[in-house]
Amino acid sequence: QQQVKQSPQSLIVQKGGISIINCAYENTAFDYFPWYQQFPGKGPALLIAIRPDVSEKKEGRFTISFNKSAKQFSLHIMDSQPGDSATYFCAAFTRLGGSNYKLTFGKGTLLTVNP
Amino acid sequence: SQTIHQWPATLVQPVGSPLSLECTVEGTSNPNLYWYRQAAGRGLQLLFYSVGIGQISSEVPQNLSASRPQDRQFILSSKKLLLSDSGFYLCAWSTTAGGFYEQYFGPGTRLTVT
Repeated sequence: QQQVKQSPQSLIVQKGGISIINCAYENTAFDYFPWYQQFPGKGPALLIAIRPDVSEKKEGRFTISFNKSAKQFSLHIMDSQPGDSATYFCAAFTRLGGSNYKLTFGKGTLLTVNP
Repeated sequence: SQTIHQWPATLVQPVGSPLSLECTVEGTSNPNLYWYRQAAGRGLQLLFYSVGIGQISSEVPQNLSASRPQDRQFILSSKKLLLSDSGFYLCAWSTTAGGFYEQYFGPGTRLTVT
């Protein structure tokens, strides 16, 4: 089944702390894993993404760790800031054939960073 | 650079009225286009996707329909709205330029059915 399971549903972190959001999948046809950040009333924005042949990708304070054998990946936000407070979605791409591909989303994590 | 537009930004419609939401993409050609709905509670539900003009795939049977009359235009419609159609509607486009998948979302339309 094409599902991406995301946890936790909500997360509260103190300023300067590390925020960790986890995702797991079953479908081995997934071949690209982006994370999106969404602020209230806005569309999700692409934050960072990783291919399954890479175990880690870092962009600034954001790092994706990927464990292909366990079919798990996670987002780490270092030195979390109040401005990082948002909903975060993990996702997975699968190619359906030709130019047809689809993105499957986790249910989201509401992150609150307290000052 | 690529830009995606959605309008209207907000809409309040009575039950039983028709609906038309529009999405346009600039700065790219032959994108894949998507309509999502996000109800309260954050989850993103894929409604329709299109790989080309006139080519529409539906993910969930419902009261809505989609059309793609032009390469960079995607329209979400309903003949008669239901209360359950309320939500945040997001259009997205994607490309595999450079061999990587990228999907980008529009600003969304907040629909309230009363």
